[in-house]
Amino acid sequence: DTAVSQTPKYLVTQMGNDKSIKCEQNLGHDTMYWYKQDSKKFLKIMFSYNNKELIINETVPNRFSPKSPDKAHLNLHINSLELGDSAVYFCASSQDWREQFFGPGTRLTVL
Amino acid sequence: DAKTTQPTSMDCAEGRAANLPCNHSTISGNEYVYWYRQIHSQGPQYIIHGLKNNETNEMASLIITEDRKSSTLILPHATLRDTAVYYCIVRVAPAAYYTGANSKLTFGKGITLSVRP
Repeated sequence: DTAVSQTPKYLVTQMGNDKSIKCEQNLGHDTMYWYKQDSKKFLKIMFSYNNKELIINETVPNRFSPKSPDKAHLNLHINSLELGDSAVYFCASSQDWREQFFGPGTRLTVL
Repeated sequence: DAKTTQPTSMDCAEGRAANLPCNHSTISGNEYVYWYRQIHSQGPQYIIHGLKNNETNEMASLIITEDRKSSTLILPHATLRDTAVYYCIVRVAPAAYYTGANSKLTFGKGITLSVRP
């Protein structure tokens, strides 16, 4: 069983569109995260949620809106996509501060 | 969190030990040293962490100098599958052990390890 899964794996879309990326974890963890890895391979935190409550919001544009329907899911909705949003987005989860478990990533390409 | 410095890349022969250095000269007393790795096209993977004592698990060993200003990750018998970017991260331990929510990971550029046959 995959611990942290993301869908879709690849997403190609036009500028201005709205898209969502889904993340699910079956580890029973309380905390989930979204990270963005840009074309230069820098990996940066975007959000973290703990038991469906937003904890970290790292100055991400308002076009990005995470939604956590339950503690096993953390979805990322992006409005009005821009070229600069092209990146690989990773979801992660953790139960404590020691270790985070990452998903396989979603490669978003905005044309 | 303290900043870390790693070489850009290194390589080693398959079956030999890979020693990956990390400098964290401004580390504070309550900051831990973490190592993650990212194999191509995959999500990062936790390897090991430590405070001041050397640590070993099934994946690797972590050697932290006595002054804690640098550390070395050791992969004892590198395989081709160990080819990846390895990130050394320094982070403060939260007040509560089970507080995962504020525990963001701040990744640097990492070191690219290439294991050659």
